[in-house]
Amino acid sequence: QQQVKQSPQSLIVQKGGISIINCAYENTAFDYFPWYQQFPGKGPALLIAIRPDVSEKKEGRFTISFNKSAKQFSLHIMDSQPGDSATYFCAASGTETSYDKVIFGPGTSLSVIP
Amino acid sequence: GAVVSQHPSRVICKSGTSVKIECRSLDFQATTMFWYRQFPKKSLMLMATSNEGSKATYEQGVEKDKFLINHASLTLSTLTVTSAHPEDSSFYICSAIVERDLYNSPLHFGNGTRLTVT
Repeated sequence: QQQVKQSPQSLIVQKGGISIINCAYENTAFDYFPWYQQFPGKGPALLIAIRPDVSEKKEGRFTISFNKSAKQFSLHIMDSQPGDSATYFCAASGTETSYDKVIFGPGTSLSVIP
Repeated sequence: GAVVSQHPSRVICKSGTSVKIECRSLDFQATTMFWYRQFPKKSLMLMATSNEGSKATYEQGVEKDKFLINHASLTLSTLTVTSAHPEDSSFYICSAIVERDLYNSPLHFGNGTRLTVT
């Protein structure tokens, strides 16, 4: 119940295309859903986050879509660029459960080709 | 702002020796710091949670005597891998938070330490 599922495991997108990564969770107590971007040899960095009281959040080329009833959320990267090539982790946490434990998905390796 | 510095970035040690990794919050006071382990092409695995001035809370399956964590101040936590063995080779990452409200105070990660035990 603490798991966060993520797909696809890897993704290849052409420059200018849309990258879509999907995640799903089981624990309805989760109320914070961040996405992290990690470049090789570096620590993860927060990209964008959402709470379940909204269905969508957009920051620049990055958009989170959230479906509370389906317990699913996704990251869309518009106009994907080679510099976006990285590993992306979705995550979830619940203030009513372990507020300070963020459960990470298994990650998606994104390659944006010119 | 909210920079977490981790040192060293890479370390190679011989089997049986101990290695200390430092995690510092440079421009904020971290109430809580976390230590993760990451295997190649895998997700982050939480090892332990440390609060300043108290004992660390370890996740199930993580050996407390193997991975010693000290959170001496609000800006410094250390992870010591004792009597390291080749199977301890991994990428270790720390993170920190200011407040117990992740939405307003997200996790800030260090750049990780690549440990290789020969």
